Amino acid sequence: KAGVTQTPRYLIKTRGQQVTLSCSPISGHRSVSWYQQTPGQGLQFLFEYFSETQRNKGNFPGRFSGRQFSNSRSEMNVSTLELGDSALYLCASSGQGTDTQYFGPGTRLTVL
Amino acid sequence: GIQVEQSPPDLILQEGANSTLRCNFSDSVNNLQWFHQNPWGQLINLFYIPSGTKQNGRLSATTVATERYSLLYISSSQTTDSGVYFCAVEPTYNTDKLIFGTGTRLQVFP
Repeated sequence: KAGVTQTPRYLIKTRGQQVTLSCSPISGHRSVSWYQQTPGQGLQFLFEYFSETQRNKGNFPGRFSGRQFSNSRSEMNVSTLELGDSALYLCASSGQGTDTQYFGPGTRLTVL
Repeated sequence: GIQVEQSPPDLILQEGANSTLRCNFSDSVNNLQWFHQNPWGQLINLFYIPSGTKQNGRLSATTVATERYSLLYISSSQTTDSGVYFCAVEPTYNTDKLIFGTGTRLQVFP
């Protein structure tokens, strides 16, 4: 079974731009969560989607948004990028009946 | 909100040594997981362990939920064990999916 995939793996943007990151969960998994990892703040929860609905949301500004499609693939969008948005963005999926999270390789975003 | 603290922050070992990593959390949790992050940033799930003890090869973990701590044991360490180890908890009274600890950075030298 293929693991969680994320695209793109690396991204360079400038301040003020917007960016969209994609995550494909493990086949059969319906829950997708997103996390941001920075050296200063560590790993922080962004949001979780289940069956196309946002189930939980972390403490991030409204510039961070996401969605999930009927095939469980998820995207997250960051608008009006700031230098502090430079981070490794990780998504994780989990299957029905288990809370074990399986992580993708991440997208490393650099904002210049 | 819930606090998740890991100790020690850094650990340097010679190949073959054993080690114990600790995770303390400040409030009730629904589950606890241990992860290993390799130098490329990939997070690998090691254990899903809300309570009790589990073993997987040279690794084992114990969670005592009533006392709000978990331990990860690494025996006969190898250079490939190097990386950062995180514990993460799902709080009972918070909507965050997982709250991660600050991590323990392990370096194993031959």
